[in-house]
Amino acid sequence: NAGVTQTPKFQVLKTGQSMTLQCAQDMNHEYMSWYRQDPGMGLRLIHYSVGAGITDQGEVPNGYNVSRSTTEDFPLRLLSAAPSQTSVYFCASSYGPGYGELFFGEGSRLTVL
Amino acid sequence: DAKTTQPNSMESNEEEPVHLPCNHSTISGTDYIHWYRQLPSQGPEYVIHGLTSNVNNRMASLAIAEDRKSSTLILHRATLRDAAVYYCILRRGGSNYKLTFGKGTLLTVNP
Repeated sequence: NAGVTQTPKFQVLKTGQSMTLQCAQDMNHEYMSWYRQDPGMGLRLIHYSVGAGITDQGEVPNGYNVSRSTTEDFPLRLLSAAPSQTSVYFCASSYGPGYGELFFGEGSRLTVL
Repeated sequence: DAKTTQPNSMESNEEEPVHLPCNHSTISGTDYIHWYRQLPSQGPEYVIHGLTSNVNNRMASLAIAEDRKSSTLILHRATLRDAAVYYCILRRGGSNYKLTFGKGTLLTVNP
């Protein structure tokens, strides 16, 4: 059982470049989300989705786009990377209702030069 | 969303119990209390959650105050592998799916 899979694990970008962080889960979870974690900080919610075709903004959505065309996949797009987006990104999923356990991926470390 | 307050850091000795406190004085009736931990260079992992009653699982116990304004995560016998950042989080049941993480408590376990 793969759980939540994130790719790539490491990425270096130049300012202004675009890229997509991939997230896939094989647990048939309705809820998926993206967090970023900066040094010494807790996780901050970027975007989340409660099902295919439904997305919403979290705490820090600016500079990021998401879409949810399938239950399994929830990619995070950076259209024009900025140094402030240097961070570790975590994808998480859960069955759906608010009280459920969140399963996290191993993280994607992004550096923007 | 209701906030939680945790100590920045705590220290314990190996094989001793650890009590990690969390205050959540503005908790609402539908908020579940969740605990996650994050080992170095890994994603957070679920530890335990509860609503009103104390909860036990293979990893830990969760003691919830009668007024629900505080809770305590109990690790019965700390091991070196328990050294991590522990996050206490409130997650509203029903339609609100968001989890808001604070800075958590950094637990150091001494051999």
